[in-house]
Amino acid sequence: DTGVSQNPRHKITKRGQNVTFRCDPISEHNRLYWYRQTLGQGPEFLTYFQNEAQLEKSRLLSDRFSAERPKGSFSTLEIQRTEQGDSAMYLCASSPGLPDQYFGAGTRLSVL
Amino acid sequence: QKEVEQDPGPLSVPEGAIVSLNCTYSNSAFQYFMWYRQYSRKGPELLMYTYSSGNKEDGRFTAQVDKSSKYISLFIRDSQPSDSATYLCAMSADQAGTALIFGKGTTLSVSS
Repeated sequence: DTGVSQNPRHKITKRGQNVTFRCDPISEHNRLYWYRQTLGQGPEFLTYFQNEAQLEKSRLLSDRFSAERPKGSFSTLEIQRTEQGDSAMYLCASSPGLPDQYFGAGTRLSVL
Repeated sequence: QKEVEQDPGPLSVPEGAIVSLNCTYSNSAFQYFMWYRQYSRKGPELLMYTYSSGNKEDGRFTAQVDKSSKYISLFIRDSQPSDSATYLCAMSADQAGTALIFGKGTTLSVSS
């Protein structure tokens, strides 16, 4: 499978715990994006990387959120001290530097 | 007013009908327009990508962009039950590929 891969597919956690998600982009794509999607809404941009550099962060990305792409390949998104409002689908997308982006299946986070 | 407006529906049509899905936007800087299809609990799948104004056709799908009216459309001909999904419009101002701005999505149901 040469598409965007996200793990885990579903994460259930208790409020206050830390969680980390992983995204493996399409191998030749240098741009990687994170979005968050809640029920009945379109995806909302969180942050993006060009290679290993984090170029833009949304104001939605509070201090509890951090993303890395250490070697310009896979990326991780960590949420510290989770809150119930963090429950959402977290989507990763990649692109070869063009406007069209290709999405993974997402990680569904449920905070109890 | 949100940058991208999309009627969430739901829209129900019989098999074989022509479907019209629409988005309006307020940011005149948008030049790149995309339509994504999203099945329940899956990531968005890129259907069509259009630059600036004009039409683009791909099989049963036709995308139209009218920049003067800030209005984009997706037409689906000979709709099939497998077309039942949420359709998201997305837009970008930047050729290099920064954040996509999404509509809320329109839920389509095609009955056999």
